[in-house]
Amino acid sequence: AQTVTQSQPEMSVQEAETVTLSCTYDTSESDYYLFWYKQPPSRQMILVIRQEAYKQQNATENRFSVNFQKAAKSFSLKISDSQLGDAAMYFCAYRSAMKRNTPLVFGKGTRLSVIA
Amino acid sequence: EPEVTQTPSHQVTQMGQEVILRCVPISNHLYFYWYRQILGQKVEFLVSFYNNEISEKSEIFDDQFSVERPDGSNFTLKIRSTKLEDSAMYFCASQTGFTEAFFGQGTRLTVV
Repeated sequence: AQTVTQSQPEMSVQEAETVTLSCTYDTSESDYYLFWYKQPPSRQMILVIRQEAYKQQNATENRFSVNFQKAAKSFSLKISDSQLGDAAMYFCAYRSAMKRNTPLVFGKGTRLSVIA
Repeated sequence: EPEVTQTPSHQVTQMGQEVILRCVPISNHLYFYWYRQILGQKVEFLVSFYNNEISEKSEIFDDQFSVERPDGSNFTLKIRSTKLEDSAMYFCASQTGFTEAFFGQGTRLTVV
């Protein structure tokens, strides 16, 4: 079974600075997807960014980018120019590509605080 | 922008009562899921649903739970006899093909 590990329960960053959230995963599969979801205090799950394992290029969405290291099974999220609205729980998630509707496997999350 | 809608946003129920949590997935999506998040813990998979039947379920999804898509739009999760430990946030999600899952805003279930 696949597992996702987020080793940083809490992180903090100064507004306008850059922060990196870590995620590692364990799988024997070669084809899969990785995601970062944001959960603000409202507790809704919001997709931040997605990475396909077959793509070598790291995904980028505006101020959010990932460092995907397939051999190391590492998938970190970098948030640049941090804003107060970035404060939330961030969950790393894995999904097998073996079939279309495999469920997400989540890590335990990292709580990010943004200091004004 | 299309979104997944869940109702109610918060439900309080007596232990032993039945509850039905409702979800309206995005209209052209084919795959549906329920996840659960106990306060302060990670999000856990409960069940996936495709073509009007369960595709996969976790060990959490025991005989107390059931899902159905009664009218082609709604997707419901029923808990027959609630227990205190069922108190959690329940998320519905939908997706189409090999894409990311889109989540609803969640239903906070409190069992007293």
